[in-house]
Amino acid sequence: KQEVTQIPAALSVPEGENLVLNCSFTDSAIYNLQWFRQDPGKGLTSLLLIQSSQREQTSGRLNASLDKSSGRSTLYIAASQPGDSATYLCAVNQGGKLIFGQGTELSVKP
Amino acid sequence: EAGVAQSPRYKIIEKRQSVAFWCNPISGHATLYWYQQILGQGPKLLIQFQNNGVVDDSQLPKDRFSAERLKGVDSTLKIQPAKLEDSAVYLCASSATGYGSYEQYFGPGTRLTVT
Repeated sequence: KQEVTQIPAALSVPEGENLVLNCSFTDSAIYNLQWFRQDPGKGLTSLLLIQSSQREQTSGRLNASLDKSSGRSTLYIAASQPGDSATYLCAVNQGGKLIFGQGTELSVKP
Repeated sequence: EAGVAQSPRYKIIEKRQSVAFWCNPISGHATLYWYQQILGQGPKLLIQFQNNGVVDDSQLPKDRFSAERLKGVDSTLKIQPAKLEDSAVYLCASSATGYGSYEQYFGPGTRLTVT
């Protein structure tokens, strides 16, 4: 059974810092991995999607990597801003279904 | 392109009452998903439709939850009777197809509070 774990559960950093969020999964038989952002009381906004054949994807200040063999993905956020404060969720696509981690709550202090 | 629409956005009911949520997926998307997100946790898949057929409902509490997707477009999720532990955000998502690596797009969710 696929299990997805995100570490840390919460993170607080000063504005301008670069940071890394971690996601691990137990079964490497996945189609892709997606990183989402969730603001309080809101739905999910897709940030990056990495296909199983890819190693990384970049969008602006965000870079996500995928190492399927070790069951790990990282989301790198450069030059963090207070507007980046949110919960970040990773999810693996297995058989067309998304299996989510519990999220990392990020707070960026001005 | 219009996104996934959900209504209502918020609902407060008493335990043992019934409630229904509505979802309209992105036009042309064959696959529709309902997820339950309990506070502090990641979303959990409740049911997956491919057109108007159920692909996976293994985690749907069928004694109280039901869902339908008539005509393969919009969908309704119902809870009857509601329990306190059903308090959660109910998210609807859609994708072009459920077979393979297609991206899922999420609606804003319905926040249910059961008192």
